[in-house]
Amino acid sequence: GDSVTQMEGPVTLSEEAFLTINCTYTATGYPSLFWYVQYPGEGLQLLLKATKADDKGSNKGFEATYRKETTSFHLEKGSVQVSDSAVYFCALTPNTGTASKLTFGTGTRLQVTL
Amino acid sequence: DSGVTQTPKHLITATGQRVTLRCSPRSGDLSVYWYQQSLDQGLQFLIQYYNGEERAKGNILERFSAQQFPDLHSELNLSSLELGDSALYFCASSVGPLRQGRYGYTFGSGTRLTVV
Repeated sequence: GDSVTQMEGPVTLSEEAFLTINCTYTATGYPSLFWYVQYPGEGLQLLLKATKADDKGSNKGFEATYRKETTSFHLEKGSVQVSDSAVYFCALTPNTGTASKLTFGTGTRLQVTL
Repeated sequence: DSGVTQTPKHLITATGQRVTLRCSPRSGDLSVYWYQQSLDQGLQFLIQYYNGEERAKGNILERFSAQQFPDLHSELNLSSLELGDSALYFCASSVGPLRQGRYGYTFGSGTRLTVV
């Protein structure tokens, strides 16, 4: 079945450092890919998404590119802030078949310090 | 406010009891999804409803059940509760039943269930 693998956390960075959180997936066909963010004590918020190969999703300085050849959707940000501290989830949904649920990775906790 | 409303926000109950979690989807959305988030299992898909009908089922225990009503709100019923059922339960909604990559999903803020 479909699956998403994320790098283990926590990731601890100093403010203004470069961020990469790796995400790879296994799915049939061409799924849509998402990054969700969960701030402490809150629900899941959509950060960005990409619906086809080579698409780049971007939002709030975060970017991720849908790489079909490497089945990856790595999250990047050039300069993180303390306010970016949260748990980040990579997820996919199939664009074929009868199911449309989201399959999530295990999440990566990001801690940004001054 | 995401537009998806979940109640209650917090629930503390004893083992063996039964609880009902409620979700109102975003206006215009016909699909509702339930997820369980626990420390050891991560985010697990439980069940999906579309316009009142069950559409897909995931890792949902037999002690758990759900339904979607004509006004599209959904309820998740958890019975014979065990300590291991303590988790954050999320509801999400989307426009249709399939191929939601374009339209996306909106999550509620969750119900934190603690079983003591």
